[in-house]
Amino acid sequence: GENVGLHLPTLSVQEGDNSIINCAYSNSASDYFIWYKQESGKGPQFIIDIRSNMDKRQGQRVTVLLNKTVKHLSLQIAATQPGDSAVYFCAERTGTASKLTFGTGTRLQVTL
Amino acid sequence: DVKVTQSSRYLVKRTGEKVFLECVQDMDHENMFWYRQDPGLGLRLIYFSYDVKMKEKGDIPEGYSVSREKKERFSLILESASTNQTSMYLCASSPGQGGEQFFGPGTRLTVL
Repeated sequence: GENVGLHLPTLSVQEGDNSIINCAYSNSASDYFIWYKQESGKGPQFIIDIRSNMDKRQGQRVTVLLNKTVKHLSLQIAATQPGDSAVYFCAERTGTASKLTFGTGTRLQVTL
Repeated sequence: DVKVTQSSRYLVKRTGEKVFLECVQDMDHENMFWYRQDPGLGLRLIYFSYDVKMKEKGDIPEGYSVSREKKERFSLILESASTNQTSMYLCASSPGQGGEQFFGPGTRLTVL
C-alpha cells in the first residue's frame, strides 16, 4: 500500500550491486518460508519459498538462505535493478497448514 | 493467469456505517484470508476461511465479521466502522494444502 514504507527499516543499494535482506522468524517449529515483494499501490507478490529441510534455494537473480539454528532467513538479490525497489516481507508457516505469519518488512531503495 | 480481485481500490466511509469489502478469486482455492496492513505493523490476519461457510478468527478479529457463501468469494464486514479501522485491507487465497498465498491489490479504506 502507499504508506507501507513508513517506519520501516530501509536498505539502500546502488544499481548493479547485490542486496541482502534479513529476517528473523519467531517459531522454531515453522516448516515453510516465503519472501514477498510489495510495490507501492500493489498487493504482495511471491518471490521465492523454501522448506525447512533445505538451507538454500535459488531462483532467477534471487537466493534464499535459511539458518534454522538462529532462526534467520535472508533474501539475496543479485545485480539489483531499479525495478527491485519495493518493500520485502518474509513469512513463515507453522502448524495449521494454511496460515502465514508475516514480518514487518524491509524497504529496498535502489539508487542510480 | 492467477487472479484475486477486490471490489474497490479506495473507499471513504463515515463512522458508524456498515462497510462491505468483497474479494473474488478465480483459482478454485479452498483457503481465503483477510489482512489489514498498517505502517510498521506488517500484515495482520483478521479472519480466514478453509471452505465455504467456514470461518476462523485471526489475530485481530474484533470489530470485523466475514462471510463465505461461495468458494470464490470472501467478504469482510465492518458492522459499525470506526476511525481506527482506517487501513489498507488485503485479501489473499491459497490452495487447500497451503503454501503460497496470492494477494489482491488491496483496498485503502478511510473512515471519517
